[in-house]
Order: sequence, then C-alpha cells, then structure tokens
Amino acid sequence: DGGITQSPKYLFRKEGQNVTLSCEQNLNHDAMYWYRQDPGQGLRLIYYSQIVNDFQKGDIAEGYSVSREKKESFPLTVTSAQKNPTAFYLCATSSIVGDTQYFGPGTRLTVL
Amino acid sequence: GDSVTQMEGPVTLSEEAFLTINCTYTATGYPSLFWYVQYPGEGLQLLLKATKADDKGSNKGFEATYRKETTSFHLEKGSVQVSDSAVYFCALSARNTGNQFYFGTGTSLTVIP
Repeated sequence: DGGITQSPKYLFRKEGQNVTLSCEQNLNHDAMYWYRQDPGQGLRLIYYSQIVNDFQKGDIAEGYSVSREKKESFPLTVTSAQKNPTAFYLCATSSIVGDTQYFGPGTRLTVL
Repeated sequence: GDSVTQMEGPVTLSEEAFLTINCTYTATGYPSLFWYVQYPGEGLQLLLKATKADDKGSNKGFEATYRKETTSFHLEKGSVQVSDSAVYFCALSARNTGNQFYFGTGTSLTVIP
C-alpha cells in the first residue's frame, strides 16, 4: 500500500518535553516537507529536505529540528524551545522540490 | 514575493448550488497552480492542478482554469453535494523562487441539504 504515514494520529505531551513526530513514505520521492497548521489557518512551512542528509529551514523553524538519514523517513522533533507547540502537523512529499506535493494524514499534538 | 490570495469564508451553499471559490496569485515567473481539499481532521488531498496558462484542471466535477491575464485560478463546481463540505486551499509553485510552495489561507465550504 503506497503512501505517506504519520504516527501517531494524536499526541499529548507535558510542557517542557521534547517530542518526535514520525513521517514515512514509500513513494520513492526525494523531497519531504513539514508544515504546521493552526485552527482556521493556512499552512506554514517548518523544514524541508530535497535529498537525503540535506534539509533547509522554512518560515517557522525556530524550536523545531529534523533529520533525513533515509530517503523514506523525515522525523520532526518539537523541542521545549517551541513556545506554542500545540497544532496540527502535516508531512508532505514530492518527487522533486516544486513538483506536486502529497500529504500524510497529520498528527495533532497537544501540549498540556 | 510570490503569494496566493483566496476569497475568505466561510461559504455556505445549498445542495446542487453552483460553487465558485476565487483565487488570485502573484508570481514573477510562470508558476504551477493547484487546488487542494482538506476534510476535517485529515491531511490535504490534491484536487486538481494546471501547469501553464489556459490549462484547465478538472477532477470530481471541480474545474479551474489558469488565467495568466487575470492571474487567477478560480475553483468551480456546477452542483455541490453535502460530501463536498471541506476546506479548499489554492497553492502555487514557482521555479524562480526555488520551487517553493505558497498556500492560500483556505476557504471553508459547508453544503446543507
């Protein structure tokens, strides 16, 4: 079954804890992206990666970190430095940067 | 810089009504244009796209035409259904800005029986 998986669907953490969100794809796409979506808002780019072992900051990278050790995986860590981490996080992929983006189902993070 | 502007919602229509959601863009190059749909609690799904001027994207009864002269990519559907209730996002990708994607803020559509 091809596609993009994000886990878990819902995540709860205490304030001050780091948390890592998973994104896995089997589409053989080179580019992967992380977006943040707040209620009633559009999407804001956090980080993106064009290729393995390379990634670039997006518009709101502060308080977040990523790695791209494998083509299939692009995990996002929300650190304690992120002031308002509660949001809906979306992972996307495209064959190359600029091509059509395909989205995963999202992870809703709530920090208590 | 490059950007996308969508009509603000929310939009409420009766079933079988005609739908238009306006989208205009600003881009210095020749962008590709997209419409995505998001159902509650889910990720975005590609609805349709167009890659050059005068192209018409279509899918599931939805259509949008890439109008370079008016820098627009309005989404239309002739007869909406309750199942079309969702948030719709217009987006562009422009090669001259490193192929970054720019999303509109989304337009919420509710279709009532």
